[in-house]
Amino acid sequence: GENVEQHPSTLSVQEGDSAVIKCTYSDSASNYFPWYKQELGKRPQLIIDIRSNVGEKKDQRIAVTLNKTAKHFSLHITETQPEDSAVYFCAATKAAAGNKLTFGGGTRVLVKP
Amino acid sequence: KAGVTQTPRYLIKTRGQQVTLSCSPISGHRSVSWYQQTPGQGLQFLFEYFSETQRNKGNFPGRFSGRQFSNSRSEMNVSTLELGDSALYLCASSLARSHEQFFGPGTRLTVL
Repeated sequence: GENVEQHPSTLSVQEGDSAVIKCTYSDSASNYFPWYKQELGKRPQLIIDIRSNVGEKKDQRIAVTLNKTAKHFSLHITETQPEDSAVYFCAATKAAAGNKLTFGGGTRVLVKP
Repeated sequence: KAGVTQTPRYLIKTRGQQVTLSCSPISGHRSVSWYQQTPGQGLQFLFEYFSETQRNKGNFPGRFSGRQFSNSRSEMNVSTLELGDSALYLCASSLARSHEQFFGPGTRLTVL
């Protein structure tokens, strides 16, 4: 089955700097890659997603890039703010898997003011 | 629209008991998926229901089961609870033809 690895497991950045989280997946048939943000004690929130027919997608300060050949995708957060501190999860799925998401292990991001 | 809701929010059970958790999806969403979140194993897929049928199942023992009703509300049941079942159980709903999943607040299950 699908396997998703996520790095780094923790990331500490200074406010205003950029943060990058990388994920690799194993199943070349995967075609949907969402990113979730989970604040302490809260539910995971979908913050951005990308489908395999697109190489890059941007939404204000966050962007996701996808390299299908290398089977990896990355989350980029620019101009980080303290409210960006949270655990971020990447995930992958494919059409044949319905809505079964395989998640990476998560990255704890701390933005220091 | 109201978001995904889950009840109860917290549960404390003892080993050997069984438990039923409930999930109400966003109005119009017909797919409901369940995930288990633990510090050690992260987020793991349990199963997905669509139009009252289980469409996918993860690698969990048969003690974990679920169902979906005609109004798309879903329940999951865990029988013969074990200490290792202590976790946050999250459900997520999505539209029929979309992968976008929206999570509920979760049910925190503690097994003593």
